[in-house]
Formats: sequence, structure tokens, C-alpha cells
Amino acid sequence: DTEVTQTPKHLVMGMTNKKSLKCEQHMGHRAMYWYKQKAKKPPELMFVYSYEKLSINESVPSRFSPECPNSSLLNLHLHALQPEDSALYLCASSHLGLAGAKNEQFFGPGTRLTVL
Amino acid sequence: DAKTTQPNSMESNEEEPVHLPCNHSTISGTDYIHWYRQLPSQGPEYVIHGLTSNVNNRMASLAIAEDRKSSTLILHRATLRDAAVYYCILRDLQTSYDKVIFGPGTSLSVIP
Repeated sequence: DTEVTQTPKHLVMGMTNKKSLKCEQHMGHRAMYWYKQKAKKPPELMFVYSYEKLSINESVPSRFSPECPNSSLLNLHLHALQPEDSALYLCASSHLGLAGAKNEQFFGPGTRLTVL
Repeated sequence: DAKTTQPNSMESNEEEPVHLPCNHSTISGTDYIHWYRQLPSQGPEYVIHGLTSNVNNRMASLAIAEDRKSSTLILHRATLRDAAVYYCILRDLQTSYDKVIFGPGTSLSVIP
């Protein structure tokens, strides 16, 4: 199984709502990632988890709160978002090791988020 | 992080070879060159990677200049399914985490 699944596929939320995005993989990967992608732009790294611990936070606002409850699951909790946070949110996973090796990242299809 | 530059867009005829260039003049000795692509409405997917020597796999070939300041991704026979954004990415061997920084990429159109 070389699949990363993300739920939901689409999400519409108001600025006062609290919602969560979910990502799951069963490839035994110990690194998991969140990216944000605006239309016609490349993905931007948000967070990196290695061995279920947060190792990189790319200065993401606190209204985005990641969580890695176990080695297969990654969540992104959303609270008090702004309309400019509307984007495609991509989850990825990879083995951990030498960064230059073929530690290819496997990406999910993303969650299309709209903030009203 | 060392940067890459790629053309914004390219066109190819179906079943013709495609050469997608990438410049990385500030590449360091520990940087691997990776290529990913993103098909419409999908997440990115790994294509190929290399360090110094040319590489081939079932999807593509990667030609790396002798001074490593540039590389070219080669699709031997473009199909309509190869229409995507192609990203050339440098990944530092020395870092202990897998940080992947995407540049703007090249949008490849394939003409039937």
C-alpha cells in the first residue's frame, strides 16, 4: 500500500469554526508533512513531524495546530481561520534517513479548504 | 537553501521527447537533485533523483551537467498524461530531516 489518504476532500468553514484535517498512511513512514498550496503556486511546507515529534514549523500562524497521535496519523486542527487561508492542504509522508537519498515523499490528494 | 530556476512553461507534441531544464548554479556538494511532478488535481509525485551521474528509471531520465550547475529531465516520449507541473528540487544530504522546498516549476503542455 503506497497510498496517503486525506479526509475530507473538500471543506467549507466559517471564520469562527473549528475543524480538523486528517491524513493517514500505512507505509511505515516515520516522517509526515503538511503543505499548503494556493492556486497556480507550488506547495509550501508548513510542518514536519519525525518520529511523531514536531521537528519543523515554518513560522505558521497558531490558528493552524498540527498533531501526530501515532506513526500512521497526522491531523491539522483549524481554528479562527481567515479567507486568505483558503487553499489546497497536502499531506505527505516518507521514510527518515539521509535526506539526499531516495527518501521520496508520497503525497495525498489534498483537502480543498474554503474559508468564508 | 540553494535555489533552482526553471522555465515557467513548455510545450511538447505527443510522442516527441521533452527536455525540461533546471539551473542550480549555487548547488553544494551534498545536494541531491530531485524531480517531482504534479498532475492536475493531484498531489505531487516523485519522478527521479541523482547526485552526479546520469540516471534512468521507468518514468524518465536525468542528465546532470559535469559541473552540476544544471540538469535536464528527459521524457522520452511525451504522452497526454505527462501534462503536469514539473519541479526541480535540491535536497541537502547533511540535513537530518527531509525538507522539500518547491520552486515555481515548469508547466508542461502536451499537444495531441
